[in-house]
Amino acid sequence: EAQVTQNPRYLITVTGKKLTVTCSQNMNHEYMSWYRQDPGLGLRQIYYSMNVEVTDKGDVPEGYKVSRKEKRNFPLILESPSPNQTSLYFCASSLYPPGTGGTEAFFGQGTRLTVV
Amino acid sequence: LAKTTQPISMDSYEGQEVNITCSHNNIATNDYITWYQQFPSQGPRFIIQGYKTKVTNEVASLFIPADRKSSTLSLPRVSLSDTAVYYCLVARNTNAGKSTFGDGTTLTVKP
Repeated sequence: EAQVTQNPRYLITVTGKKLTVTCSQNMNHEYMSWYRQDPGLGLRQIYYSMNVEVTDKGDVPEGYKVSRKEKRNFPLILESPSPNQTSLYFCASSLYPPGTGGTEAFFGQGTRLTVV
Repeated sequence: LAKTTQPISMDSYEGQEVNITCSHNNIATNDYITWYQQFPSQGPRFIIQGYKTKVTNEVASLFIPADRKSSTLSLPRVSLSDTAVYYCLVARNTNAGKSTFGDGTTLTVKP
């Protein structure tokens, strides 16, 4: 079954404690991306990766890091989480960037992060 | 990326046809128009994509006028389970990797 898997689904952590949210896809997609979703603000892109070892900033990259060492995995790293990073996070993968002709993006189940 | 404008919310009743319009005045020649649906606490899922005129699949239809400055997602005979947020996405068909989903339209279907 084609899927994007995020872990954990829920996480409560304290300010400043480094954490990693994992994302894995089994569709051999080139493109992967992270979004955060806050009430009333829709989906905002954090980082994206066009291919292995190629990553770039989205609209809200501050406070986040990513890596793409292999095609299937795209972890999101919060080196020093702060309360304003409390949000719902989604990972997505697709053959090409979402919106490209003939491209369907697949999203993970989401990770609800609370930073206290 | 072309900026999109959608209504913030819409209400409908079961069995009615719902049309959600997205405005994208600065759409470029190579841009496609894609719609996604998102249920609460779930990731968005692809509904339909088009470039011009009309596209129909088993879930919805997408109408795009000749000037392509707007598009309309049409959901036939909605049910309660169609209550969701609908996003219009317009992105250049190039190697640019950014994607911006905007705020979406919250559709509420009432019994």
